[in-house]
Amino acid sequence: GESVGLHLPTLSVQEGDNSIINCAYSNSASDYFIWYKQESGKGPQFIIDIRSNMDKRQGQRVTVLLNKTVKHLSLQIAATQPGDSAVYFCAEKEAGTYKYIFGTGTRLKVLA
Amino acid sequence: DAGVTQSPTHLIKTRGQQVTLRCSPKSGHDTVSWYQQALGQGPQFIFQYYEEEERQRGNFPDRFSGHQFPNYSSELNVNALLLGDSALYLCASSSATGNYGYTFGSGTRLTVV
Repeated sequence: GESVGLHLPTLSVQEGDNSIINCAYSNSASDYFIWYKQESGKGPQFIIDIRSNMDKRQGQRVTVLLNKTVKHLSLQIAATQPGDSAVYFCAEKEAGTYKYIFGTGTRLKVLA
Repeated sequence: DAGVTQSPTHLIKTRGQQVTLRCSPKSGHDTVSWYQQALGQGPQFIFQYYEEEERQRGNFPDRFSGHQFPNYSSELNVNALLLGDSALYLCASSSATGNYGYTFGSGTRLTVV
């Protein structure tokens, strides 16, 4: 399965800057994608989702971009805050199935 | 409004033993999925229950089994525990008629010694 062992990719950003977290997904038949945030000792928390018939979706301070041509997903966080520090996962759902495949996580560190 | 509740929060078992983990879904949700998350990795799908039946299964051996009750709560059972079963077990609930997004519980940390 997808894993990076104990060496998660890490993105360090200054507080107030914008963050961009990238994810390459595996299945061109996936029709739904979600970004999750996971803080230490907690379960993943839903951030934003996007369906495959869209290429951009905006939420509060977050934007998800989907590029189906290259099977790439990104999460943009505006004005990053200390509370945004966590591990971020993208997840894809293949059309006609019920399971989500989680990508390799990225650890976001917000520097004061 | 209670979210997803899992019990116990932590558990230590010996190799070869059996374990049962429990999950109560978020109010209004009728579908329960179980994931295994090893340290430093993303969650991996074990199976999903809907209408008291397993409707999809991931690549896990038969030692992993589950059940869903009429009140939508669910159990995950693991037999003949191996050291490699040590992980955080996450329960996620969703609504079959709503959007696809899950609500996850905080998980049960299982340690096999």
